[in-house]
Amino acid sequence: EDQVTQSPEALRLQEGESSSLNCSYTVSGLRGLFWYRQDPGKGPEFLFTLYSAGEEKEKERLKATLTKKESFLHITAPKPEDSATYLCAVRWSNTGKLIFGQGTTLQVKP
Amino acid sequence: NAGVTQTPKFRVLKTGQSMTLLCAQDMNHEYMYWYRQDPGMGLRLIHYSVGEGTTAKGEVPDGYNVSRLKKQNFLLGLESAAPSQTSVYFCASSYPSVSGTGGKEQYFGPGTRLTVT
Repeated sequence: EDQVTQSPEALRLQEGESSSLNCSYTVSGLRGLFWYRQDPGKGPEFLFTLYSAGEEKEKERLKATLTKKESFLHITAPKPEDSATYLCAVRWSNTGKLIFGQGTTLQVKP
Repeated sequence: NAGVTQTPKFRVLKTGQSMTLLCAQDMNHEYMYWYRQDPGMGLRLIHYSVGEGTTAKGEVPDGYNVSRLKKQNFLLGLESAAPSQTSVYFCASSYPSVSGTGGKEQYFGPGTRLTVT
């Protein structure tokens, strides 16, 4: 069965304390892995797309990487404004359908 | 550009009532999607459309119907609401991928919070 699992479910960091979020998947024929940020009461906001193992993307304090079985979202020297729920999703078909993980809720304390 | 907009933002229904959620996008996207988000369940696809006049079932389609009469609009209908349909509903849209491997990244609306009592 196609699955996407994110860990940890929740993460508390001090400002400046770097860490990584994990997204593991068991989808055959991956056609893209997506990272989104979701703030409370809002819709998910697109961050990155990764297509092949070894690919990396960066944006400010965030860096996403991809292997054949998992993706990591590295957060370097986080700030309180990075607090949000981070969602991972994978696409396996030509219709654009995504399977979402349950998300990691990140809290960064000043 | 307004991006993806959803109407209404909040709604309370009684069991058995019907309603339609409207999604509109001004990015000329070919693909559109409806999701529901529940605590502990993540985002789950209800229905989707790969073009004007087309619709298809997603992961959890029962109890919902959709229509895509215009490229920029995607409607989600609940014919007879049930408490199990209490959720936050998100609409999303995307371009198709040039290489034919599925749509590009999806852009989401702000959501509709629906409560069925």
